[in-house]
Amino acid sequence: DAKTTQPNSMESNEEEPVHLPCNHSTISGTDYIHWYRQLPSQGPEYVIHGLTSNVNNRMASLAIAEDRKSSTLILHRATLRDAAVYYCILRDAVNFGNEKLTFGTGTRLTIIP
Amino acid sequence: NAGVTQTPKFQVLKTGQSMTLQCAQDMNHEYMSWYRQDPGMGLRLIHYSVGAGITDQGEVPNGYNVSRSTTEDFPLRLLSAAPSQTSVYFCASRADGTLNEKLFFGSGTQLSVL
Repeated sequence: DAKTTQPNSMESNEEEPVHLPCNHSTISGTDYIHWYRQLPSQGPEYVIHGLTSNVNNRMASLAIAEDRKSSTLILHRATLRDAAVYYCILRDAVNFGNEKLTFGTGTRLTIIP
Repeated sequence: NAGVTQTPKFQVLKTGQSMTLQCAQDMNHEYMSWYRQDPGMGLRLIHYSVGAGITDQGEVPNGYNVSRSTTEDFPLRLLSAAPSQTSVYFCASRADGTLNEKLFFGSGTQLSVL
């Protein structure tokens, strides 16, 4: 399985943009890039996913490098509620029934008021 | 919408006891899965199901059984609990189809085995 590498922790000031990096140098052509976040004492929450093109939704933006070996989750204006552990995950969407998401340890994001 | 519902939220077992963790979803999702999360670690897949009557093993299946008799329910059974199974357990579901990548997670069951 392709692996992802993320910094263990990051800090950001409230109301400023946050860029969370993820390296996935062994990504295959059929791997989707997913981001989930986990708030304390809660289950993971879907944030965004993409394959090749940059993606935007109401929560965040996903910027994918042209060679797809890295990606960046962008929170445009961080709030205290964005403090969480953010997981960058690859999922092979071609193999039928491949439900395995390898979460890794993620990046713990701290928001400074 | 209830989404993915897990019960109980907390459970304490003695070594050797058995129990079933319940998971139900009301979104008519084909795919359901169970993960465990140990302190300071990411989630690891235990078992998953791609539809009623179909289950398969994940990364860490030993000590756990599952069945999928209906689309809505996917219970996880511990036949003989061990301290190594102390963890937080999450159930997840998603809709069928390659465009439906979004996983919905329950709020978790915190299990302690003494």
